[in-house]
Amino acid sequence: GAVVSQHPSWVICKSGTSVKIECRSLDFQATTMFWYRQFPKQSLMLMATSNEGSKATYEQGVEKDKFLINHASLTLSTLTVTSAHPEDSSFYICSASGTGETQYFGPGTRLLVL
Amino acid sequence: AQSVTQPDIHITVSEGASLELRCNYSYGATPYLFWYVQSPGQGLQLLLKYFSGDTLVQGIKGFEAEFKRSQSSFNLRKPSVHWSDAAEYFCAVGLSGNTGKLIFGQGTTLQVKP
Repeated sequence: GAVVSQHPSWVICKSGTSVKIECRSLDFQATTMFWYRQFPKQSLMLMATSNEGSKATYEQGVEKDKFLINHASLTLSTLTVTSAHPEDSSFYICSASGTGETQYFGPGTRLLVL
Repeated sequence: AQSVTQPDIHITVSEGASLELRCNYSYGATPYLFWYVQSPGQGLQLLLKYFSGDTLVQGIKGFEAEFKRSQSSFNLRKPSVHWSDAAEYFCAVGLSGNTGKLIFGQGTTLQVKP
């Protein structure tokens, strides 16, 4: 149980285009979903927290107009990187939690912006 | 401020040897504590968690961790390491209340020698 999927697993795009990443909780209802960014050999940096049906809460320093988060249902959250640039290249990981305190993580999406 | 410290950035052990990964935290309230493991290019898998009760927690893959309030520690142990245990290990503190946020340590890379 507690499986979280992400799609796509990797994506290459041109600079200036937008990329959407999906995060799904497959076997539980995710009250809250989290989006993280991870640079090579580093820990996870929380970007934002989203609750179903409400606006995401962004961490300090994260541009909400650049990283659009939508949590339209209890099983799906999306992260859209708008007008992506090479510095946005990274490993993006989502996690989901239900009614408890435990977060279950997706497999991650590697984004490369050329 | 809340923080998590994993003092060892990199640890190398021989296969079959015992393992202890250290984790110290700074948090004013009773913490929720987690250990996650990440294989290269993958998301995070929950090894074990502590919320309350017995301070010695058993997890998956033969791992255990002990919560020591007096030392603000939550060290991860395994009596006999297998080559497949080579990975990145993250300790995390969950903030109580309604945010559900996790604060991660810097991670410890475990290398296993044959």
